[in-house]
Amino acid sequence: GAVVSQHPSWVICKSGTSVKIECRSLDFQATTMFWYRQFPKQSLMLMATSNEGSKATYEQGVEKDKFLINHASLTLSTLTVTSAHPEDSSFYICSAIAGGPGETQYFGPGTRLLVL
Amino acid sequence: GQNIDQPTEMTATEGAIVQINCTYQTSGFNGLFWYQQHAGEAPTFLSYNVLDGLEEKGRFSSFLSRSKGYSYLLLKELQMKDSASYLCAVRLPSGGSYIPTFGRGTSLIVHP
Repeated sequence: GAVVSQHPSWVICKSGTSVKIECRSLDFQATTMFWYRQFPKQSLMLMATSNEGSKATYEQGVEKDKFLINHASLTLSTLTVTSAHPEDSSFYICSAIAGGPGETQYFGPGTRLLVL
Repeated sequence: GQNIDQPTEMTATEGAIVQINCTYQTSGFNGLFWYQQHAGEAPTFLSYNVLDGLEEKGRFSSFLSRSKGYSYLLLKELQMKDSASYLCAVRLPSGGSYIPTFGRGTSLIVHP
C-alpha cells in the first residue's frame, strides 16, 4: 500500500510553545490530506481537510488560528499547534488519499504530543 | 447529525470466528471502510464496501446492507495478533468531495 510518514513521532514541549508536525506522502502525490486527533480510547476526530495550494477546511469546533495547516506541495502537509496547552496533548494522525477503492486513506504513523 | 454505532468491546477465543457490527444513520453515503488500529499506532486499511454484499479477503470479510444501514466485519481463525481496535468509517459527501467519518471503534480482545 501507499506510504505516509509523519515527523516527529514524539514531542514533549512546554506550555505556550508551538509545535510543527510534518506529514509526507512518500510514494505518491496527494492533493488532499486529512488531520485527525485521537484521545485515549476514543475514535479518530477529524480536525481539518488539507488541500494542496489552498486553505484548509476546518471541522466545527476546531480553531483554525490555533491549528495552522499548510499544504505547500503534493507530498507535504504541516500542522502547527500554536501556543500549546496541556489539553492539546493527544495523538495526532495525518492521512492522505492515494486512489484505490473508494479513494482509500492511508494513515501516517501518528505523532504523540505531550504538553507540560 | 451523523451517527455511526459499534460495540465498544468484544472478546473472543484464539481460533474462533468473531463478527463486529456497525450501524449507521447518516445524511449521504458513498461507501464504508473498515480499519484496524493497534494500540499506539495509526489505523491500517482492511476493506471498502460500496455495494451490498460480502467481500472476502483472506481471514477477513466485510458485509454491507445499504437499505439497513448495516455492515459487519468477520474475522475467522482468530490469532492473538488480531487483538486491536476495529474502526468502521462511512464515506460522506462534503463540499463536493468525500470524507470518511469514523465510529468510536470496537476493541477486540483475543485470548488463548
